[in-house]
Amino acid sequence: GAVVSQHPSWVICKSGTSVKIECRSLDFQATTMFWYRQFPKQSLMLMATSNEGSKATYEQGVEKDKFLINHASLTLSTLTVTSAHPEDSSFYICSANLGKPPYEQYFGPGTRLTVT
Amino acid sequence: GIQVEQSPPDLILQEGANSTLRCNFSDSVNNLQWFHQNPWGQLINLFYIPSGTKQNGRLSATTVATERYSLLYISSSQTTDSGVYFCAVGNTGFQKLVFGTGTRLLVSP
Repeated sequence: GAVVSQHPSWVICKSGTSVKIECRSLDFQATTMFWYRQFPKQSLMLMATSNEGSKATYEQGVEKDKFLINHASLTLSTLTVTSAHPEDSSFYICSANLGKPPYEQYFGPGTRLTVT
Repeated sequence: GIQVEQSPPDLILQEGANSTLRCNFSDSVNNLQWFHQNPWGQLINLFYIPSGTKQNGRLSATTVATERYSLLYISSSQTTDSGVYFCAVGNTGFQKLVFGTGTRLLVSP
């Protein structure tokens, strides 16, 4: 149980275009999901907390207008990178918990974004 | 915010050796997890352990919450144990996690 999927697993886009990444909880409902970014050989950095039916909460320094998050259902959150630039190239990972104690988080397999 | 430091940053072992990875955190927590990130980037849950001791096969973990550290023990290491080990902690109602700096483990045959 507690499986999280992401789509696509990798994507290449041109500078200036937008790209959407999906995160799904496959066997449970997730009122809260989380989006992380990981640069090569670095740790994971939390970008935002995605809440079903309400606005996402962004971490300090993360541009809300650049990284649009929508959590329209209890099993789906999307991250849209708008007007992508090469510096947005990174590994994006989502996670979710079961919404009740013990709040263990389960992670998706990640999406590798390359902006050319 | 809470700070999480892991040591050692890099570790090279011969197959069959034992190792101890450490995670220090700067504030009280109500969530602590250990993960193994495989070469494809997938984070694999090892332990949810905000306090106490747990064991799962060759792996075990201990968290001493009052002293703000956690230890991950790997016994009889195998080449498949190679990868990066992260601890992550949380202390907020939304349970967002702050990740440590990671330990990169290489087990050679």
